Amino acid sequence: QKEVEQDPGPLSVPEGAIVSLNCTYSNSAFQYFMWYRQYSRKGPELLMYTYSSGNKEDGRFTAQVDKSSKYISLFIRDSQPSDSATYLCAMSYSGGSNYKLTFGKGTLLTVNP
Amino acid sequence: DTEVTQTPKHLVMGMTNKKSLKCEQHMGHRAMYWYKQKAKKPPELMFVYSYEKLSINESVPSRFSPECPNSSLLNLHLHALQPEDSALYLCASSHIGRNTEAFFGQGTRLTVV
Repeated sequence: QKEVEQDPGPLSVPEGAIVSLNCTYSNSAFQYFMWYRQYSRKGPELLMYTYSSGNKEDGRFTAQVDKSSKYISLFIRDSQPSDSATYLCAMSYSGGSNYKLTFGKGTLLTVNP
Repeated sequence: DTEVTQTPKHLVMGMTNKKSLKCEQHMGHRAMYWYKQKAKKPPELMFVYSYEKLSINESVPSRFSPECPNSSLLNLHLHALQPEDSALYLCASSHIGRNTEAFFGQGTRLTVV
């Protein structure tokens, strides 16, 4: 079983839709959970990060972490064509050795006008 | 300034060439990273520098040689690469112990012929 599982999609939605992106993980030692957006041929851009369980909201984006289920989600409200990109979840351990980010495979999202 | 700048953006090199990738940041970050990303795959960690010293080498072949001449610069020296080394090479930086808020550069797209 891979440490982080993410459905690669592709996912295609109409403009204005609510998008739900998800990752599951197997390592209960993960404490930090991140979502990155990567446009084609560009570097990843950090959208949000969350420590431990709970929700975090930033504008149209909401990140949720459920550590009991080892499941994280990113919701995008009122999706826009400019949201079309690959979304990568990433996780790391806490403490001094948390240099390594473990990424999911990424989900390719297309928002159609 | 929240940018990580990588040069060159594109590089084509032969298997007998020697070339270098460069990365620069002025955010005061003392942790810098090299990642490799193949098409439709997540980034894979190669090296981590902490306070300008190599702290993690993820069993990367010696044909890749990193260097951190000062706290703002990170280089990756390439020699005798193979075609399978063709990929997007990403540089990232963060505060020490804060890889949850790592900033990525746009990457260098390397093609080995």
